[in-house]
Amino acid sequence: EIVLTQSPATLSVSPGESATLSCRASQSIRNNLAWYQQKPGQAPRLLVYGASTRATGIPDRFSGSGSGTEFTLTINSLQSEDFALYFCQQYNNWPPNTFGQGTKVEVK
Amino acid sequence: EVQLVESGGGLVQPGGSLRLSCVASGFSFRDYSMNWVRQAPGKGLEWVSHITAPSRTTFYADSVKGRFTISRDNAKNSLYLQMTSLGAEDTAMYYCVRGGSSGYYYYWGQGVLVTVSS
Repeated sequence: EIVLTQSPATLSVSPGESATLSCRASQSIRNNLAWYQQKPGQAPRLLVYGASTRATGIPDRFSGSGSGTEFTLTINSLQSEDFALYFCQQYNNWPPNTFGQGTKVEVK
Repeated sequence: EVQLVESGGGLVQPGGSLRLSCVASGFSFRDYSMNWVRQAPGKGLEWVSHITAPSRTTFYADSVKGRFTISRDNAKNSLYLQMTSLGAEDTAMYYCVRGGSSGYYYYWGQGVLVTVSS
C-alpha cells in the first residue's frame, strides 16, 4: 500500500499571502495524484488531478505540481474561502486508493 | 447535474449491522464505477469499497473485508453498502463517490453518518 505523507499538518497564513502544501508518496506514483479541499460539514471537493490539472471551476490561484514521489499544491493570494482542510490522494496503485492525512490551512 | 444522495445511517450497537444506500441522478449510473469513502470524526479520508460498472467486480479495504458488501442496482440507479459486525472503528461519515476511468473522485454525496456505540 502506498503511503502519502502531507506536510505541514497545519499551515497558518494571512489572507492575500500564498500557501504551499506538500504531499510525499512512499513510492513513485508518476503523476497520478489528486488534491481535494474540504470545509467543515461538507464533502471533499476535487481541486486538481493528474498532479497539475485543475478540475472544472477551480480558480487559477490553485496550482499543482510534481511527479514521482514529491508533489505540491500552491494557493496564491489566499481568499477567505480557501481556509480549509486539504487532502492529497494517489490513484496509481489501487486498490486501495490512499489519501494523505491532510493539511489544515488556517488564518494567521 | 450529478447528484448522489446517501441514506441509511444512524446509531447502531457494536456487533450490529446497517445498510447504506445511495441514489444517483444526473448521469448514466450503469456506465460508472462507484465507491464508498469514509471519514472518522476529525480524521482523514479512507477508501472503503469499489464496484465496477459492467462486471460488478468488487474491491474492499482490508479494514472492512469480510464484513462489508458493496452492491448496485442499475435499474434503480442505486448503490449499497451492507455493513455487518460493526465496531467503534467503523464510526464515520460515509460518502458515496462516483468513480471514473482514472481513479480520482469528481463527484461526492453529502455523506451519511454511522455511529457505532452502546
